[in-house]
Amino acid sequence: GENVEQHPSTLSVQEGDSAVIKCTYSDSASNYFPWYKQELGKGPQLIIDIRSNVGEKKDQRIAVTLNKTAKHFSLHITETQPEDSAVYFCAASQNSWGKLQFGAGTQVVVTP
Amino acid sequence: EAGVAQSPRYKIIEKRQSVAFWCNPISGHATLYWYQQILGQGPKLLIQFQNNGVVDDSQLPKDRFSAERLKGVDSTLKIQPAKLEDSAVYLCASSSLRTSERPNEQFFGPGTRLTVL
Repeated sequence: GENVEQHPSTLSVQEGDSAVIKCTYSDSASNYFPWYKQELGKGPQLIIDIRSNVGEKKDQRIAVTLNKTAKHFSLHITETQPEDSAVYFCAASQNSWGKLQFGAGTQVVVTP
Repeated sequence: EAGVAQSPRYKIIEKRQSVAFWCNPISGHATLYWYQQILGQGPKLLIQFQNNGVVDDSQLPKDRFSAERLKGVDSTLKIQPAKLEDSAVYLCASSSLRTSERPNEQFFGPGTRLTVL
C-alpha cells in the first residue's frame, strides 16, 4: 500500500519568512496530492492540491510542487503570518475520491 | 452552507465499554468517510461509503468496529468493546461527485475525541 513520509515534524519560522514542508510517497500509481491545514480542535481543511499532470500550482502565498520521478512533493508558504500557525498534513491518493494516505504532519509555529 | 456535523465532541469511557459516534454530512454529498486520528499522527481511513454502500473498509477492525449509513445520509460508527488503543479523534468527512462543485474535495467535521480509560 501507499506510504507517505513528511518532514520536518516541527517548523518554527519568523513572521514574514518562508516555510517549506516536504513529503515523499511510495506508490507510483498515486496521482492526487492534497495538503490540509488543521487548527487546534478542528478537522483538517484542504488548502491546496495538485494532480500528477501538473508540476506546480500556486494560490496566493501558497504553492505546491510535484516531482513524480522522484516521488516527492512540497508545500511552500511565503510571507508567513501568525495565522499560518497550525499542523499541516500532506496526503496521496490514486484519485481524489478514494482513500487518502496522510503523512504524520508538520507543526508550524510562526513567531511575530 | 452548513459543514459536516459530528456528535458528541468528547467522550470518555472505560475499556470494554461500547461507544457510538454520529455524523451528518454536507447536504447532497454522496461520499462519506470515517477516519481515526491518533495523537501526533495523520488521519487513517477506517471506512468509505458511497451513498449507503461500502466502498472501502479494508482498515476497519471489524471484530470491534462497525459503521452504517442508513438512507445514504447520516452515519454512525460504533466500537464494541473499546480498548485503550482506541483513544483517538474520530473524524467524519464527506465529498460530492457533482462536477459543478469542487469535485471530490473531502470536507472534514470537527471530530469526536474519544478517551478510553
